Amino acid sequence: IQMTQSPASLSASVGDRVTMTCRASQSISNFLNWYQQKPGKAPKLLIFLASSLQSGVPSRFSGSGSGTNFSLTINTLQPEDFATYYCQQSFITLPYTFGQGTKLEIK
Amino acid sequence: QVQLQESGPGLVKPSGTLSLTCVVSGGSINTYNWWTWVRQTPGLGLEWIGEIYPSGTTNYNPSFKSRVTMSVDTSRNQLSLRLNYVTAADTAVYYCVRQGGSREFDYWGQGTLVTVSA
Repeated sequence: IQMTQSPASLSASVGDRVTMTCRASQSISNFLNWYQQKPGKAPKLLIFLASSLQSGVPSRFSGSGSGTNFSLTINTLQPEDFATYYCQQSFITLPYTFGQGTKLEIK
Repeated sequence: QVQLQESGPGLVKPSGTLSLTCVVSGGSINTYNWWTWVRQTPGLGLEWIGEIYPSGTTNYNPSFKSRVTMSVDTSRNQLSLRLNYVTAADTAVYYCVRQGGSREFDYWGQGTLVTVSA
C-alpha cells in the first residue's frame, strides 16, 4: 500500500492553523498513524487509528479521515511544532508503509 | 516507561552482515506486543523491515525477506536484527520499535547509524 503525503513542505507562522494530508493507494479503514520527527531524533507517535491522540500529546494536534484520505491538523502552531510529519498505515496487509513526509517550516 | 536502545557496528563492509541488538528496559519484552525494526534513509525515507513476536514468530518486508533475520531473547529482554549481503543502499539509521495494540509504533529507540562502506 502506497502512502502519499502533501504538501512535501509547508511554511507557517507561530499561531497559525495548518493541515496536511495523506492518501493511501487503497482503503485502510482507519489504520493510519501520524508521527513527528525532529532532526537527529526518532519519530514520535502523535495520532493512532486516524484520530486517537497518543497519551501526552498536546490537544492542538488532531487527525481525521478514513478509507483512503486522511489529514493532520495542528491548531495554534507552537515553536516546537516545526518538524517533519509522517503518516504510516498499519492495515492488516503487510508490509506497513510510510509516507514521504511533510516538512513544516517557519515562515 | 519503556525504553529501547539499539547497538552494533557503525560500519559494515559491502557483502557483509549487519548485526544489531536492541535492549528493552522499563518493561518486559514478553508482552502482547510485536517488536519491529524500521530504517530511515535519505532516499527511501522510513521503511518497515519486519516484526517479531515474543514467541519468535516473524513477518518480514518482502523487500528484505531473503536477507533478513530477526530474533528475540526474552531472558535478556533484547531483540536482534541481521541483514545479509549488505550494499551501500543499506546505509541507514536503524530503529527498533514497539508496536502498540492497534499496530501503531508507540515506543522508538534512539536509532543507530550503520554505514556500508569498504
